[in-house]
Amino acid sequence: KQEVTQIPAALSVPEGENLVLNCSFTDSAIYNLQWFRQDPGKGLTSLLLIQSSQREQTSGRLNASLDKSSGRSTLYIAASQPGDSATYLCAVRGMGDMRFGAGTRLTVKP
Amino acid sequence: DAGVIQSPRHEVTEMGQEVTLRCKPISGHDYLFWYRQTMMRGLELLIYFNNNVPIDDSGMPEDRFSAKMPNASFSTLKIQPSEPRDSAVYFCASSLASGAGNTIYFGEGSWLTVV
Repeated sequence: KQEVTQIPAALSVPEGENLVLNCSFTDSAIYNLQWFRQDPGKGLTSLLLIQSSQREQTSGRLNASLDKSSGRSTLYIAASQPGDSATYLCAVRGMGDMRFGAGTRLTVKP
Repeated sequence: DAGVIQSPRHEVTEMGQEVTLRCKPISGHDYLFWYRQTMMRGLELLIYFNNNVPIDDSGMPEDRFSAKMPNASFSTLKIQPSEPRDSAVYFCASSLASGAGNTIYFGEGSWLTVV
């Protein structure tokens, strides 16, 4: 069964800092990897999807990379803002299912 | 499209009562997922369907939980009898076929409290 791990569990940074969130997975036979954002008391919002054949995807200040062979992905957030404060979840899509990491809780201080 | 629609959004029920959660996936999507989220265990996949057929229910915690998908536009997750430890947020999600480029979309969740 696919296991997904996210490091760190929590991160607090001052506004303006660049930061990296990490995700690792045990089974490299994946279709895609998605990064989600979840605000307190809310549902999940998809940020980026990387197909298994791709190495990275970018959206605004966000950049996600994928190294399928080593079972790793990173989410890079440039010039962080207080509005980026949320929990970020990594999810890996296998043959049919989708497995999530426990998330990284990010706090960006003004 | 209106997205994945879940109901009820919030429910408080007494231990021993039956709870039914409902989900309407995005029209045309082949896959439907039920997840449970708690502080202790994070997001757990309970069951998923492909073309209305349950594919993997290994995440369903016990026989008190059951899920059905009678047609392509409706699914239910039922808990009978409910227990306080079932208190959680239950998410429904849907996607097109599990190809590389297909995003999974989540509903807003059903917040269940069993007292």
